[in-house]
Amino acid sequence: GAVVSQHPSWVICKSGTSVKIECRSLDFQATTMFWYRQFPKQSLMLMATSNEGSKATYEQGVEKDKFLINHASLTLSTLTVTSAHPEDSSFYICSAQDGVVDIQYFGAGTRLSVL
Amino acid sequence: AQRVTQPEKLLSVFKGAPVELKCNYSYSGSPELFWYVQYSRQRLQLLLRHISRESIKGFTADLNKGETSFHLKKPFAQEEDSAMYYCALRSGVNFNKFYFGSGTKLNVKP
Repeated sequence: GAVVSQHPSWVICKSGTSVKIECRSLDFQATTMFWYRQFPKQSLMLMATSNEGSKATYEQGVEKDKFLINHASLTLSTLTVTSAHPEDSSFYICSAQDGVVDIQYFGAGTRLSVL
Repeated sequence: AQRVTQPEKLLSVFKGAPVELKCNYSYSGSPELFWYVQYSRQRLQLLLRHISRESIKGFTADLNKGETSFHLKKPFAQEEDSAMYYCALRSGVNFNKFYFGSGTKLNVKP
């Protein structure tokens, strides 16, 4: 079946540094990729939607300058958390939409801890 | 605003018992509803969607627009059904936004 690779799976960084998370669709072309944030014991919160070659669409309340999304190709999207602070610590999950079968496939998630 | 509500955080049933995971939504347009499942140590995956009107692993879900519900049901629960279940709604101009409920953990006891 379709696979979405997300890495790193876990990252620890110092406050003020930037962290990049990659999301790749391994065996299909993703028309759309999504980035979610999940707080402990809470639901997935959609942060932004991105399409290849165009600017990401951010949900209300999500700072686009804080969470930079680059969708460089049909198989790769990156999320960069800029100048990370402890409150950015969370579980980030990406997903990729296979436009052919109209199914959203999820990455395994990235645990970000900002010290 | 779109909202998906799953009132139960945890649902415990015995093997062979019927199970119903509740999901209610609020949306002004015509929604597209999904159920996603996350087994232990695995990633989230699609279980079923209302437009397919199919049964997956014995689970079914019917969209009730009058009650704005999309409850997930299975007549006889199995231990391997134990997992986290999320109800989700797709909306947006291009149907490119997904909104998830808070999830229900299903525990099927032997």
